[in-house]
Amino acid sequence: DAKTTQPPSMDCAEGRAANLPCNHSTISGNEYVYWYRQIHSQGPQYIIHGLKNNETNEMASLIITEDRKSSTLILPHATLRDTAVYYCIVRVGMDSSYKLIFGSGTRLLVRP
Amino acid sequence: SQTIHQWPATLVQPVGSPLSLECTVEGTSNPNLYWYRQAAGRGLQLLFYSIGIDQISSEVPQNLSASRPQDRQFILSSKKLLLSDSGFYLCAWSGGWGATDTQYFGPGTRLTVL
Repeated sequence: DAKTTQPPSMDCAEGRAANLPCNHSTISGNEYVYWYRQIHSQGPQYIIHGLKNNETNEMASLIITEDRKSSTLILPHATLRDTAVYYCIVRVGMDSSYKLIFGSGTRLLVRP
Repeated sequence: SQTIHQWPATLVQPVGSPLSLECTVEGTSNPNLYWYRQAAGRGLQLLFYSIGIDQISSEVPQNLSASRPQDRQFILSSKKLLLSDSGFYLCAWSGGWGATDTQYFGPGTRLTVL
């Protein structure tokens, strides 16, 4: 079972920030949070991951709460091409046999 | 840079027929390799993973099998397809570099069993 819960759908206006929440209240101290997105009929695309500190890359920012029970993915200036299903995932396991357990994700619709 | 290929892109097969899906990775050596399946409107389910040639672990009991004949080649097979095998099959690779290892996915194969 997935260790994360996400809203099934969200929308935002083009050019505005998209803030996608994720709850992972049972996360363990050494488990990373990963975000992927999947555009229709394509393979998932890696976005970002983090452990306890906030992270930023060219695609997005990841804000993890101090207790690590939730996180938010921020797309600072959403475009129409950001319309996709966004998956928040807790990585289970530390060695080479770790698993990414996908839930149902959040379907983000960016409106013109 | 690394690239991952899957073929075929789409496949329509009758129930009871065999299956062979292929995944290859370029630009890296000794990758971890993964097979996932995605049913319509659902998240991804891990089927198999491999940390090396002839080292394959199965996550879900089923009529599918996986093989890794070469370092960068991963094959998903079935002797007799079931209707429930329909779905979107995704191969992924990772470098296996410890705690922050990241999986990268291929374009997928859409399988319809009739």
